[in-house]
Amino acid sequence: SQTIHQWPATLVQPVGSPLSLECTVEGTSNPNLYWYRQAAGRGLQLLFYSVGIGQISSEVPQNLSASRPQDRQFILSSKKLLLSDSGFYLCAWSAPGGGMETQYFGPGTRLLVL
Amino acid sequence: GENVEQHPSTLSVQEGDSAVIKCTYSDSASNYFPWYKQELGKRPQLIIDIRSNVGEKKDQRIAVTLNKTAKHFSLHITETQPEDSAVYFCAASLGGTYKYIFGTGTRLKVLA
Repeated sequence: SQTIHQWPATLVQPVGSPLSLECTVEGTSNPNLYWYRQAAGRGLQLLFYSVGIGQISSEVPQNLSASRPQDRQFILSSKKLLLSDSGFYLCAWSAPGGGMETQYFGPGTRLLVL
Repeated sequence: GENVEQHPSTLSVQEGDSAVIKCTYSDSASNYFPWYKQELGKRPQLIIDIRSNVGEKKDQRIAVTLNKTAKHFSLHITETQPEDSAVYFCAASLGGTYKYIFGTGTRLKVLA
């Protein structure tokens, strides 16, 4: 069966510091991968998605970036965090294919920027 | 751009009553409609989904209906229980892409 991991689970970072969040998927090949952000009490905002190694689509202009160095690894980064980057970051995967595939979410990383 | 509207934003029901959450989508090419339940501090989890070639799907106390002509779909929970309390999100696939458009969520409270 497929499993999705995210780490760290929680993170407190000062403004201006760098960020690296990691997501890995087990039990599937060539998944579609997604990064979402959820502000407190709010909905899900798609940040990036990837359909293959090195293929990244950005949804929202911001100071975040994403990379996919391996088939089942997806990384979210920032060079300098802003207060507005605080939130719950969720990685998701779906089977390769179009939009009719179910997306499954990882456990999330709760980021607080102070 | 395409969007999904979800109503109501909050819903309180007595235990044992039914709850209905409604979503309307704009993309006529949407063909997949999942529903997610998110408990406080947890990840969204898929509870039921429906594809555009089906009008209704049921799984125990949960059902989803789809009206493609009107571009709306609904989640029905019968015999609600306190553990049904959570935020529910609807979503619609964005035609020709690998993406969903999510609704803004409904906070359901089941009162014991």
